[in-house]
Order: sequence, then structure tokens, then C-alpha cells
Amino acid sequence: DTAVSQTPKYLVTQMGNDKSIKCEQNLGHDTMYWYKQDSKKFLKIMFSYNNKELIINETVPNRFSPKSPDKAHLNLHINSLELGDSAVYFCASSQPMGKETQYFGPGTRLLVL
Amino acid sequence: AQSVSQHNHHVILSEAASLELGCNYSYGGTVNLFWYVQYPGQHLQLLLKYFSGDPLVKGIKGFEAEFIKSKFSFNLRKPSVQWSDTAEYFCAVNAPMGAGNMLTFGGGTRLMVKP
Repeated sequence: DTAVSQTPKYLVTQMGNDKSIKCEQNLGHDTMYWYKQDSKKFLKIMFSYNNKELIINETVPNRFSPKSPDKAHLNLHINSLELGDSAVYFCASSQPMGKETQYFGPGTRLLVL
Repeated sequence: AQSVSQHNHHVILSEAASLELGCNYSYGGTVNLFWYVQYPGQHLQLLLKYFSGDPLVKGIKGFEAEFIKSKFSFNLRKPSVQWSDTAEYFCAVNAPMGAGNMLTFGGGTRLMVKP
């Protein structure tokens, strides 16, 4: 009964490729997020999405795009992968109010060669 | 823009020692504050959070944190650490009126507890 799940857990790919990471939550939450954790463990928000509204962190390259087929899923597509994209990507979900806890997935470790 | 600072990047303690991890944020309005923990190889889990009321909040596993508004601080404490507390600890802030309710995280503090 995993609350927030991500696939794949590990992803190794070549520079220039296009890849997707999938995220699903079964908590009935209205808002989902993508975070990037770099090699120094620094966590940075990439996107927030709640069906009607997509908020993009302005520092995220437009090679990254979230796609939500329904409320329970928020997939991350990455085009033209670069070495600097290597990181752990975490999906999270919560109810929209700011005081609500965000529940994180297990992470996807992406390595770009 | 809001920011979060965690001044201790690495902390090494012996079991039973007391712990205090610093967290300061820069935002002038009402904030929601969180501490998350990431055990080795695992995802982030919520330790505790503050959004209103008693500024001393208690979380799981014996952790607590105190919100001091005048100091813009939300320090995490535990009276006696255990080896199993070895993990990365992240402070985070969410301004209620901020766009998208996105969390801004501090840089993290790596805690190592020696048995």
C-alpha cells in the first residue's frame, strides 16, 4: 500500500536521450510535485501541479516537462539529457494547503553518461 | 523569495548525546515550517511541522522543534540520540500564500551517531 510510488528506481542513459519518470499517488491528494536532489543532497523544487495550475520553478530548463494524465499521476519528461541532469528525482504529493504534509516517493536515481 | 539556512552541514555525536540542529529562514510573513529526515538510501519522511499554536512542537522518534518568530528560527532537538538517528535532516519552509505551496529546503545536515 505504497502511498507515493515512482518508476524506475534507477535510470542510466546517454547524453542527448529523452527519458520519462513516472509517479503515482494513492492518497487522494490534489497537488503533486517534483524535486531534484543533487550530489550534495541539496533539494530543490522543480514543479508544483494541481490539475488546473502548473507552477514552474523559473530555474528549471524547458527540457523538463511534467505531464499529468489524471490527478493521481504526475510524470516527468526530460528531453536532450545532459550530464548535469544526473541526480535523484523525488515526486511528492499533498493537499493544496501550505500546512499540509508532503509525502515523498522513494526517488529515481538518474545517471547520464 | 524565501530561503532556508542550515548552518551545521555535518554533525557527529556519540549515542546518548543531545542534539540541536539549527534552521533559520528568511521570510517576513506567516510561514509553515517542517523538518524532514532522510535515512540512508530512503526517501524523505516528515519528523514534525509547525503552522500555528504552541511554538514547541513534538514529532516522531523523540524529536522536537521550537519556533522562535523573533529569530526566524526553527531548531530541531533531541535529548538523547541513538545510532539509528544517523541520517540527513532537512528543514523546510512553505509560505502559505506562496505560489504552488512549494517547499523551500535548507541545504541539509548530515548527522552521524557513533555507537
